[in-house]
Amino acid sequence: NAGVTQTPKFQVLKTGQSMTLQCAQDMNHEYMSWYRQDPGMGLRLIHYSVGAGITDQGEVPNGYNVSRSTTEDFPLRLLSAAPSQTSVYFCASSYGSSPGSYNSPLHFGNGTRLTVT
Amino acid sequence: GEDVEQSLFLSVREGDSSVINCTYTDSSSTYLYWYKQEPGAGLQLLTYIFSNMDMKQDQRLTVLLNKKDKHLSLRIADTQTGDSAIYFCAERYYGNNRLAFGKGNQVVVIP
Repeated sequence: NAGVTQTPKFQVLKTGQSMTLQCAQDMNHEYMSWYRQDPGMGLRLIHYSVGAGITDQGEVPNGYNVSRSTTEDFPLRLLSAAPSQTSVYFCASSYGSSPGSYNSPLHFGNGTRLTVT
Repeated sequence: GEDVEQSLFLSVREGDSSVINCTYTDSSSTYLYWYKQEPGAGLQLLTYIFSNMDMKQDQRLTVLLNKKDKHLSLRIADTQTGDSAIYFCAERYYGNNRLAFGKGNQVVVIP
């Protein structure tokens, strides 16, 4: 299994541009989520999904859209990038619809480092 | 509310023990976790503890939970250079489909 795969690894955008960060998992996990990691802020939840066709907002959803048309994929869209969205983005998934139970830890991708100028 | 606090930096000599602390605010937490992030990588689960436990030992790792003070700690015995990383504590709330992470604690192991 490849686990959780994120693409691209690095991206530079100009303010106002749009892009999609890709996330795919091959573990048949129901739960998928997006976090952003900023210095001194830890990880903050952007959006999450408990199964195909179901998404919900996390702590910091503004400026981001998600969809979950398949179990495997959970793309994160930035419609109009802003410098405040410069960050490292992590996708994470877990078995079942509820994250982090003792037999279902969150599995993280290696991240996408995004810079918005 | 969801609020997990951690101190930010710890330096330790190789072979010594290191202790990382975390406090949380929600008493309804069911599971508490420690994750490790190595440079350029995502987070990996190190260990976890149920909220009805006081202590858990897992090889070089010891997790202590003080529910009264809402305090969680991770002790790493015989710290190695490969333990240099950022360590995050996280909590999960009953019936809540999310984990809340602390800000992370960077551990630097000096040879």
